[in-house]
Amino acid sequence: DIQMTQSPSAMSASVGDRVTITCRASQGISNYLAWFQQKPGKVPKRLIYAASSLQSGVPSRFSGSGSGTEFTLTISSLQPEDFATYYCLQHNSYPPFTFGPGTKVDIK
Amino acid sequence: QVTLRESGPALVKPTQTLTLTCTFSGFSLSTSGMCVSWIRQPPGKALEWLARIDWDDDKYYSTSLKTRLTISKDTSKNQVVLTMTNMDPVDTATYYCARIGYCGGDDLDYWGQGTLVTVSS
Repeated sequence: DIQMTQSPSAMSASVGDRVTITCRASQGISNYLAWFQQKPGKVPKRLIYAASSLQSGVPSRFSGSGSGTEFTLTISSLQPEDFATYYCLQHNSYPPFTFGPGTKVDIK
Repeated sequence: QVTLRESGPALVKPTQTLTLTCTFSGFSLSTSGMCVSWIRQPPGKALEWLARIDWDDDKYYSTSLKTRLTISKDTSKNQVVLTMTNMDPVDTATYYCARIGYCGGDDLDYWGQGTLVTVSS
C-alpha cells in the first residue's frame, strides 16, 4: 500500500503569513493527489484536486503543486477562516486510497 | 445537486456487526465510471479510507480492514451499504460516505455529513 506523510504535523501561524504544507508518497502517484480542509465538527472540504487544480469556489490564495512523490499545499496569505486541519489524499488509480496524517494550522 | 446521507445505529456493542447505509441523490451508480467510497474518522484523529464500490460492482477495501468489511449497492434505491463485523471500541468514529465522479482517476468530490458510531457495552 502507498503510505503518505505530511509535514509539519502542526504549525502556528499569523494572519497574512504564507503557509506551505508538504505531503510525500511512498511511491509515485503521478498527480493523483487531493487536499482537504477540515474544521472541528465539520465535513472535510476539498480544496485541490489532481495535485494543482483549484476546486470551484475555493479562494485563489490556496494552491497546490507537485507530482510523483512530493506535493505541496500553499496558502499565500493566511486568513482567520483558514485555521483548520489539512489532509492530503492519494487516489492512485488502483485502491486502496490513503490519507495523510493531517497538518493542524492554528493561530500564533 | 449531489447529496449523500449516512444512516445507521449510533451505538453498537463490542463484537456486533455494524451496518451503515449511504443514500444518495443527484447521480446514479449505474452510470459508467461512477463510484462511492466510505471513510471514517475516530474522534480527534485522522481520516481513514475504508472501501469503494464501482458502477460495475467492482469492490475495493482497506488492506488492514478487508477481512471485516463488505460493501454493496442497490442501484434501484440509490444506496450503498457498508458492513463491518466484530466491532471494537477502537472502531468508534464518524463514518462518511463520499462520491467519486470517475473511478478511473477522480477523488472524493461530494461527502455526506457523517454519522457518529460509538462502540460500547
